[in-house]
Amino acid sequence: AQRVTQPEKLLSVFKGAPVELKCNYSYSGSPELFWYVQYSRQRLQLLLRHISRESIKGFTADLNKGETSFHLKKPFAQEEDSAMYYCALSGPNTGNQFYFGTGTSLTVIP
Amino acid sequence: SQTIHQWPATLVQPVGSPLSLECTVEGTSNPNLYWYRQAAGRGLQLLFYSVGIGQISSEVPQNLSASRPQDRQFILSSKKLLLSDSGFYLCAWSVPPPGVGNSPLHFGNGTRLTVT
Repeated sequence: AQRVTQPEKLLSVFKGAPVELKCNYSYSGSPELFWYVQYSRQRLQLLLRHISRESIKGFTADLNKGETSFHLKKPFAQEEDSAMYYCALSGPNTGNQFYFGTGTSLTVIP
Repeated sequence: SQTIHQWPATLVQPVGSPLSLECTVEGTSNPNLYWYRQAAGRGLQLLFYSVGIGQISSEVPQNLSASRPQDRQFILSSKKLLLSDSGFYLCAWSVPPPGVGNSPLHFGNGTRLTVT
């Protein structure tokens, strides 16, 4: 069965410190992984997806099929990165569904 | 460009009253449409999704129902609200099929429902 796990509900880092939000998944086949972000009083929006292999707002995420992980990383956290982050999974075997983790609330301390 | 509209933004309803939340998408045809409920510490729970007019799949048995009367309209309803129906409801769309051709979900602003 498809499953997305975000082990940290809350994460606090100091401004300028590296940040890593963990995401592990279970999926039979080739998954498509996404990170979504929700800033205060804003809608949930796509941050990045593994197929694009791009860096958005300094964030990157690499799909590690061996470890079934898709951790979100940023070398130097900024205050504006404080938000709720969700990892999500989709793919040919999900039947038009997207599976979300429980989310990690990131707080960047000035 | 594609846009998604969800209303109302907030709603306070008494227990036992009916519910109707509406979502419309513009700028795309035959989208996949979704209703999620977002709860603190529980992430996003998929309630319903639809791949076409009149086609509704339910993920969680509950007091809610969904309908898709038009291609780009998705409605979440209840005949009698329960206290446990309180929450934050999100509508979303994607270009079918998901996972192919980079088709992520696009969310509306959400509706904060409080059942009193």
